[in-house]
Amino acid sequence: KAGVTQTPRYLIKTRGQQVTLSCSPISGHRSVSWYQQTPGQGLQFLFEYFSETQRNKGNFPGRFSGRQFSNSRSEMNVSTLELGDSALYLCASSSLAGGADTQYFGPGTRLTVL
Amino acid sequence: AQKITQTQPGMFVQEKEAVTLDCTYDTSDPSYGLFWYKQPSSGEMIFLIYQGSYDQQNATEGRYSLNFQKARKSANLVISASQLGDSAMYFCAMREPNSNSGYALNFGKGTSLLVTP
Repeated sequence: KAGVTQTPRYLIKTRGQQVTLSCSPISGHRSVSWYQQTPGQGLQFLFEYFSETQRNKGNFPGRFSGRQFSNSRSEMNVSTLELGDSALYLCASSSLAGGADTQYFGPGTRLTVL
Repeated sequence: AQKITQTQPGMFVQEKEAVTLDCTYDTSDPSYGLFWYKQPSSGEMIFLIYQGSYDQQNATEGRYSLNFQKARKSANLVISASQLGDSAMYFCAMREPNSNSGYALNFGKGTSLLVTP
């Protein structure tokens, strides 16, 4: 079974621009979560989507948004980029609605904001 | 408040030796899950092992075992017979239930492990 895939792997943007990152979960997985990883703040939860609905949201400003499609693929969007948005963005998928379910991560998208 | 604490920013271990990476957690919920992930320099988070709060036995997965001490709220990862390829960042994470049955992991700051020949 193919793992979680993320595109693009690397991205360079300038302040004020917007960016869209894509994530394809493991086949059959319906839950997709996004995390931001920075040297200063570590790994922080952004949001989770399940069956096209945002089910859980972290403490990030409204510039960060996401969506999930009927095939469970997910996108996240960051508008009006700031230098502090430079980070590794990790997507993870899981199969069940809860319990002992494990999240499997993709390789990440490394975003650099200049 | 920090929910997951990893007190060892960096550790060294010699090849073939065992190493323990510490993790303590804070929660008032009786139902939770604890995970360990490995992150090589490539960036991908690799799932290693899971321990549920109600599990009676310590989890094991190959060379990885989890030393779960519920009363002390600790979930230390033990890697036996270290290999050079084990050099990476290791993260402890906890999942707590929420009202939406959603899925969110709280991660610790990580421990950088270097395995030397």
